[in-house]
Amino acid sequence: GAGVSQTPSNKVTEKGKYVELRCDPISGHTALYWYRQSLGQGPEFLIYFQGTGAADDSGLPNDRFFAVRPEGSVSTLKIQRTERGDSAVYLCASSPTGGTAIQETQYFGPGTRLLVL
Amino acid sequence: SQQGEEDPQALSIQEGENATMNCSYKTSINNLQWYRQNSGRGLVHLILIRSNEREKHSGRLRVTLDTSKKSSSLLITASRAADTASYFCATDEVPEYALNFGKGTSLLVTP
Repeated sequence: GAGVSQTPSNKVTEKGKYVELRCDPISGHTALYWYRQSLGQGPEFLIYFQGTGAADDSGLPNDRFFAVRPEGSVSTLKIQRTERGDSAVYLCASSPTGGTAIQETQYFGPGTRLLVL
Repeated sequence: SQQGEEDPQALSIQEGENATMNCSYKTSINNLQWYRQNSGRGLVHLILIRSNEREKHSGRLRVTLDTSKKSSSLLITASRAADTASYFCATDEVPEYALNFGKGTSLLVTP
């Protein structure tokens, strides 16, 4: 039962490569969120899905970042032409219905630690 | 951008002592949450306090909120080694469905 799971737990890649990070939310949760956490910082919002659609992608740093959630469950965060500055822990969270986040607890996965060499 | 700022950045205490962490924020909020993050693990929700509440308790946790000072505090009483973690406050801000975290307070509880 499960909580939110993320794979891989660690990913090492070379500058310029493409990576995909996967998130399996809690079953039945409509809302899914991606955050990025750099060393010594708190998580920063990237994108929010309500069902299959990206309701808000305003936190994505640039067009190298893209995320999908085609069936309203699993989500994949895709990073093209990775740069060293992309190195961080990428966290996924889900919540039952979404909407105003602070009204509803978000359940976080353990994160994927991405290292770009 | 990060809204909340926790203080202190790091705190070291002995088991049995109380730990107090503070969070300050910049703009008006509807609610504020506290999360804990253990090394190598995800964030765990601890407590939510609404803007019309001044104090809330959950087990050994006590949270206060002062909207006039735009600040909140988290008190952990009778701390245990297992409380060693980073603690983050999170506020709502545009976009309102995103949690806006501070940099966190790193708490070390030694036996």
